[in-house]
Amino acid sequence: EAGVAQSPRYKIIEKRQSVAFWCNPISGHATLYWYQQILGQGPKLLIQFQNNGVVDDSQLPKDRFSAERLKGVDSTLKIQPAKLEDSAVYLCASSFLGVAGVLYNEQFFGPGTRLTVL
Amino acid sequence: GENVEQHPSTLSVQEGDSAVIKCTYSDSASNYFPWYKQELGKRPQLIIDIRSNVGEKKDQRIAVTLNKTAKHFSLHITETQPEDSAVYFCAPGGGNTGFQKLVFGTGTRLLVSP
Repeated sequence: EAGVAQSPRYKIIEKRQSVAFWCNPISGHATLYWYQQILGQGPKLLIQFQNNGVVDDSQLPKDRFSAERLKGVDSTLKIQPAKLEDSAVYLCASSFLGVAGVLYNEQFFGPGTRLTVL
Repeated sequence: GENVEQHPSTLSVQEGDSAVIKCTYSDSASNYFPWYKQELGKRPQLIIDIRSNVGEKKDQRIAVTLNKTAKHFSLHITETQPEDSAVYFCAPGGGNTGFQKLVFGTGTRLLVSP
């Protein structure tokens, strides 16, 4: 079974530029997560999709970050304009069914995209 | 929101020793308790998890114990090996919104010296 795919793996941009990341989850996984991991910290959830709907974006800086999962499969995360503090690794994860009240499903992570904002 | 803390932040042991990392959380509705291992430059990977109706789970050299009353759970690694060197994250999960959500802890850097 193929894992979670992400691209690009690395990206260097200047502040105020825009950038987009792509994620393809494991086939059949309904739930998709985007995390931000700043160096030395744990991953922080930015947005969670169930199929093509957003179920949690409480920690997404909506003035500059946006994400979509139009067909309920792959997803893109965009930053516009980027700030220095956005330098981090952006991790995508997926799980079979992230619905409460049923057996918790393991989240599988992609390799991440390392963003450097200069 | 959920507040998750890990102790210690750094742990250095000799090969063959045991290591224990503790995770405390604030959300009493949490019902899933995983531990992730993240090697330098790699993605987090699940190494063991436990659900709220179980007090302890063991898988070869690693184990997790849960105290729901006190709201903490711990990772135990016995007979440590250099390849256990990594950052370990706890990530208690809840479902108050109707959807499963993990909140990652601050991380513990484990260094195992040969």
